[in-house]
Amino acid sequence: DAGVTQSPTHLIKTRGQQVTLRCSPKSGHDTVSWYQQALGQGPQFIFQYYEEEERQRGNFPDRFSGHQFPNYSSELNVNALLLGDSALYLCASSHSGRNFFGPGTRLTVL
Amino acid sequence: DAKTTQPNSMESNEEEPVHLPCNHSTISGTDYIHWYRQLPSQGPEYVIHGLTSNVNNRMASLAIAEDRKSSTLILHRATLRDAAVYYCILARGGTSYGKLTFGQGTILTVHP
Repeated sequence: DAGVTQSPTHLIKTRGQQVTLRCSPKSGHDTVSWYQQALGQGPQFIFQYYEEEERQRGNFPDRFSGHQFPNYSSELNVNALLLGDSALYLCASSHSGRNFFGPGTRLTVL
Repeated sequence: DAKTTQPNSMESNEEEPVHLPCNHSTISGTDYIHWYRQLPSQGPEYVIHGLTSNVNNRMASLAIAEDRKSSTLILHRATLRDAAVYYCILARGGTSYGKLTFGQGTILTVHP
């Protein structure tokens, strides 16, 4: 059984551009959460999706949006990229009581 | 969100026990205590969680104070592969329904 997978592993963008990150949850996991981890910091919660709806949202601007598909996979979109958006973006899937994290996507904004 | 306080760093020798403390004086009755760890270049990994009673699994033990204002993650025999950042997190109920609020965590260094 594959764990949580994310793509791409690394990405370089310039300020003002838009980016889409992808996540495939563990088999059978219906809840997907996204986190942003700046260098040297703990992960910060962005939002969570369940049954294709955003269920909870952290303190992130509307430039950050997401989507969950019927197969439970998810996308994170970030518009109008800023230098401060450079970070490791983590996806976590969960089913009951435990979160399983993917390896993350390293986004660099130049 | 209730806050946790952990030491910035700790060191241990291989094959010795490690006790990682966490203070959470504002914990509420419905908060579970969760521990995750993050190895270099990887996403966080679930370690253990509990509510009131001490918990054991194949990775670690969790000792929870009687007043629940503090807890300790115990690695019984540290290995080099246990070197990671350890996060103590409070979450309402089962974490699949709620966000995890990570702090700075404790950087554990294990010496051979």
